[in-house]
Amino acid sequence: EDQVTQSPEALRLQEGESSSLNCSYTVSGLRGLFWYRQDPGKGPEFLFTLYSAGEEKEKERLKATLTKKESFLHITAPKPEDSATYLCAVRIQGAQKLVFGQGTRLTINP
Amino acid sequence: DTEVTQTPKHLVMGMTNKKSLKCEQHMGHRAMYWYKQKAKKPPELMFVYSYEKLSINESVPSRFSPECPNSSLLNLHLHALQPEDSALYLCASSQSSLIFTEAFFGQGTRLTVV
Repeated sequence: EDQVTQSPEALRLQEGESSSLNCSYTVSGLRGLFWYRQDPGKGPEFLFTLYSAGEEKEKERLKATLTKKESFLHITAPKPEDSATYLCAVRIQGAQKLVFGQGTRLTINP
Repeated sequence: DTEVTQTPKHLVMGMTNKKSLKCEQHMGHRAMYWYKQKAKKPPELMFVYSYEKLSINESVPSRFSPECPNSSLLNLHLHALQPEDSALYLCASSQSSLIFTEAFFGQGTRLTVV
């Protein structure tokens, strides 16, 4: 069965304290892995697309990486405005379905 | 421009009301989606439209009725909802459901059923 699991469920960091979020997946034929940021009461905001193992993408303090079994979202020297829920999603069923993991709620304390 | 516009932003409706949620995109995308999201949960897929045809219905109750009048518009008609249907309803679009690209989301409609 196709499954996407994110860890940890919640993470509190001090401003400037770097860390990583994990998204592990078991899908029959990955058709793309996507990272989103979601602020409370808002729609998910697209961050990155990864297609193949070894691929990396960067944007400001965020860097996403992909292996054959998991993806990491590395956050370097985070700021309070980076506080949000980070969701990963994968395409399955011939790419028609975009299925989300449970998300990681990230809080950055000043 | 990667904007998906949803209206209204907030909606309160009684259990006997009929209302509609609207979604619009002008990116030339040919796949459009409806998702439902409860508090502290991830978005849950409801419907997928591909080239204006319904391609996936995730066993959604018939009190939710989707409609895709053209390639830019997506509606969700609501009738006889239950309080447990209160949630954030998200619309999304992507280039096509046949290629493996990212989806862009609107800001959602916060629905409260009383």
